[in-house]
Amino acid sequence: DAGVTQSPTHLIKTRGQHVTLRCSPISGHKSVSWYQQVLGQGPQFIFQYYEKEERGRGNFPDRFSARQFPNYSSELNVNALLLGDSALYLCASSFGGDYYGYTFGSGTRLTVV
Amino acid sequence: AQTVTQSQPEMSVQEAETVTLSCTYDTSESDYYLFWYKQPPSRQMILVIRQEAYKQQNATENRFSVNFQKAAKSFSLKISDSQLGDAAMYFCAYRFLQGGSEKLVFGKGTKLTVNP
Repeated sequence: DAGVTQSPTHLIKTRGQHVTLRCSPISGHKSVSWYQQVLGQGPQFIFQYYEKEERGRGNFPDRFSARQFPNYSSELNVNALLLGDSALYLCASSFGGDYYGYTFGSGTRLTVV
Repeated sequence: AQTVTQSQPEMSVQEAETVTLSCTYDTSESDYYLFWYKQPPSRQMILVIRQEAYKQQNATENRFSVNFQKAAKSFSLKISDSQLGDAAMYFCAYRFLQGGSEKLVFGKGTKLTVNP
């Protein structure tokens, strides 16, 4: 079975631009979460979506938004990019509501210049 | 607020030896889940081991085991017979549930070096 797939793997953007990151969960997983990992830190929670509805949002500005599609894939959008948005963005999927843990993708490395 | 603290930014171990990584957390809940994740240079977070707070028995997965002390809010990871492939960042995480949402709260990580 394919794991969690994220695209693109690397991205360079200019300040003020917009970016869209994509995530395909493991087949059968209905929950997708997004995390931001700044260099040298642990991942920070951005969003959780379950059955196409937003279930949780972390302490991030409104420039960050996301959505989940009928096939459970997800997009993370960031507007008006700042230098501080440079980070590894991780997507995690799970069945939702269980303790078996979360399967992560390999992330998208975003660099804002 | 739920917080996770990893007090060891870096650790090193000789191949075939045993190493223990520390993690403490703060919570007011009585039932919860704790995880250890491994992040090699490939960047993917890989689940190493999980622990349910209501289970008193410490979780074990092959060479990996935990010492879960609920009263002390401590959740350490022991790696036995360390291998070169164990070198990575290790993150302790707490599964936080609130109002129908769930998220992982991570510590800052411990970089493990395995010396041949």
